[in-house]
Amino acid sequence: GENVEQHPSTLSVQEGDSAVIKCTYSDSASNYFPWYKQELGKRPQLIIDIRSNVGEKKDQRIAVTLNKTAKHFSLHITETQPEDSAVYFCAASKGSNYQLIWGAGTKLIIKP
Amino acid sequence: ETGVTQSPTHLIKTRGQQVTLRCSSQSGHNTVSWYQQALGQGPQFIFQYYREEENGRGNFPPRFSGLQFPNYSSELNVNALELDDSALYLCASSFRGGPSYSYNEQFFGPGTRLTVL
Repeated sequence: GENVEQHPSTLSVQEGDSAVIKCTYSDSASNYFPWYKQELGKRPQLIIDIRSNVGEKKDQRIAVTLNKTAKHFSLHITETQPEDSAVYFCAASKGSNYQLIWGAGTKLIIKP
Repeated sequence: ETGVTQSPTHLIKTRGQQVTLRCSSQSGHNTVSWYQQALGQGPQFIFQYYREEENGRGNFPPRFSGLQFPNYSSELNVNALELDDSALYLCASSFRGGPSYSYNEQFFGPGTRLTVL
């Protein structure tokens, strides 16, 4: 079955700097790759997603890139702010069952 | 704030007991997925219900079962609780448009924190 690996497990960056989180997936049939942000004690919230027919997508300070050949995708956050501190999860999905396979998460710490 | 709700918020059970968790999907959604999130880990897919039928299942034993009702709300039942079942249980609703669908965002509820003693 699908396996999603996420790195790093913890990322600490200075406020204003950029943060990059990387994920790899194993199943080449996966075609949908969302990123979720989960603050402590709260529900996961979708922040950006990308489908396999697109190589890059951007939404203000957040961007996601997808390399289908290498089977990896990355989240890029620019000009980080204190409110960006949270746990970020990548996920992958394929086919008709909408099953999301999640990475283990990255704890992003924004230092003032 | 999404329209997905879950009840109860917290629950404490003992080993061997049974538990039922409930999820009300967002208006207009017809699909509910359930996930288990252990502390410090990513969510694990349990199963999904579409139009009242199970539509995909993750690597969970049969003592995890579910239902979806005509109003698209859903229940997750866990029998013979084990200590490792302690986790946050999340449901997510989405809209699936039929045989030729496009993937739509899953909206998550706040979760039910289950503690098994």
